[in-house]
Amino acid sequence: QSVLTQPPSVSAAPGQKVSISCSGSASNVGTHFVSWYQVVPGTAPKLLVYDNFKRPSGIPDRFSGSKSGTSATLVISGLQTGDEADYYCGTWDNSLSGGNWVFGGGTKLTVL
Amino acid sequence: DVQLVESGGGLVQPGGSLRLSCSASGFTFSRFAMAWVRQAPGKGLEWVSTLSGGGETTYVADSVRGRLTISRDNSRDILFLAMRSLRPDDTAVYFCAKDGQHSGWDFDSWGRGTLVTVSS
Repeated sequence: QSVLTQPPSVSAAPGQKVSISCSGSASNVGTHFVSWYQVVPGTAPKLLVYDNFKRPSGIPDRFSGSKSGTSATLVISGLQTGDEADYYCGTWDNSLSGGNWVFGGGTKLTVL
Repeated sequence: DVQLVESGGGLVQPGGSLRLSCSASGFTFSRFAMAWVRQAPGKGLEWVSTLSGGGETTYVADSVRGRLTISRDNSRDILFLAMRSLRPDDTAVYFCAKDGQHSGWDFDSWGRGTLVTVSS
């Protein structure tokens, strides 16, 4: 059971928009910056969003992040078939001994 | 360009040991915290451990504390993960990741991973 809760799956047609939620608590999302990662099997994971809403260079603005209270959201607009992947949120958590990094359980995106 | 290349994975029996390596290039290795993250077959990402750039501060997941130990050689730009008392549930692809040095912690570059299989 992950400390951060994500929907197991989302789907939408090409060109449409999807939102992936990441629900946490005061000891993690409520206090610390959130980042988002794209994982395609067999490849290196990729950072999509950091510090809640910032994008690394090379990441298109179709990917956007936000945070409110103890929840964060990744929105992917203008969906492309190449966006099919697993998406994870992550952040620091103060509640465990010495502090721990935690990931959400992951969300599988299907582009129909 | 940042490059992270993991090696050292393989098949090991329960209770056995293994040492993973991650060779880094394209950045000043000693200035960045580094981490290991793993993904068991069919499962999600699980953070394992993080080590500060100078090697002074270590963070370790409770699930591996006392069995998996992170270290680094800044003279050779290599990150290590010493694994002992391995269990079948340690079976996973182990990724090496670089801290982004942003306002919050994050991992801005990753390797492609090395597979560790713990089985008799």
